[in-house]
Amino acid sequence: DIQMTQSPSSLSASVGDRVTITCRASQSISRYLNWYQQKPGKAPKLLIYAASSLQSGVSSRFSGSGSGTDFTLTISSLQAEDFATYFCQQSYSFPLTFGPGTKVDIK
Amino acid sequence: QVQLVQSGAEVKKPGASVKVSCKASGYSFTTYGISWVRQAPGQGLEWMGWISTDNGNTHYAQNLQGRVTLTTDTSTSTAYMELRSLRSDDTAIYYCVRDVLGVEYFDYWGQGTLVTVSS
Repeated sequence: DIQMTQSPSSLSASVGDRVTITCRASQSISRYLNWYQQKPGKAPKLLIYAASSLQSGVSSRFSGSGSGTDFTLTISSLQAEDFATYFCQQSYSFPLTFGPGTKVDIK
Repeated sequence: QVQLVQSGAEVKKPGASVKVSCKASGYSFTTYGISWVRQAPGQGLEWMGWISTDNGNTHYAQNLQGRVTLTTDTSTSTAYMELRSLRSDDTAIYYCVRDVLGVEYFDYWGQGTLVTVSS
């Protein structure tokens, strides 16, 4: 199985900050990497698919990059509604696996 | 608009079974797969399995193999997840998700179904 790790596990940031979250796969997954945002009590929401493609309706302040084993999610200017937990997910092979999550909260 | 509407919360005793339904609407059911993802209280996301709505092929998470069965009814655009021999650590919110075939990312999520396993 492909193991996914994320760093940091949590971070504190202020509105307007640039935030970067890293996701690493235990083996190469090409660009089969997706990012989700989850707010408390809500279902996750797809932000980025195929490493860097922005899902329809998602703000352009979210961007993704990377290939192979190392990926990043960047929020260019953090907004109040972005405080949430972010998960990466590999879709290279079954079993599909998620990273453990990164919680972004208010500094 | 695309919707995945799941059945309501369940409370089960250890050893029992649960079957959660997920009714899809707003798109052609057989052109996307369905995966199931669960989330224990305060924990991360765990992928449970995937089913092709076209031919019924399945993939399951190894740790659930033998206890979980995914099925679909294409006549009603409904997917089902059955989990047997329930344990307390199966207590979680269970989500059905629309799975884009070939790339397996999850673009629409059901509202979630809380399954509580308690004696």
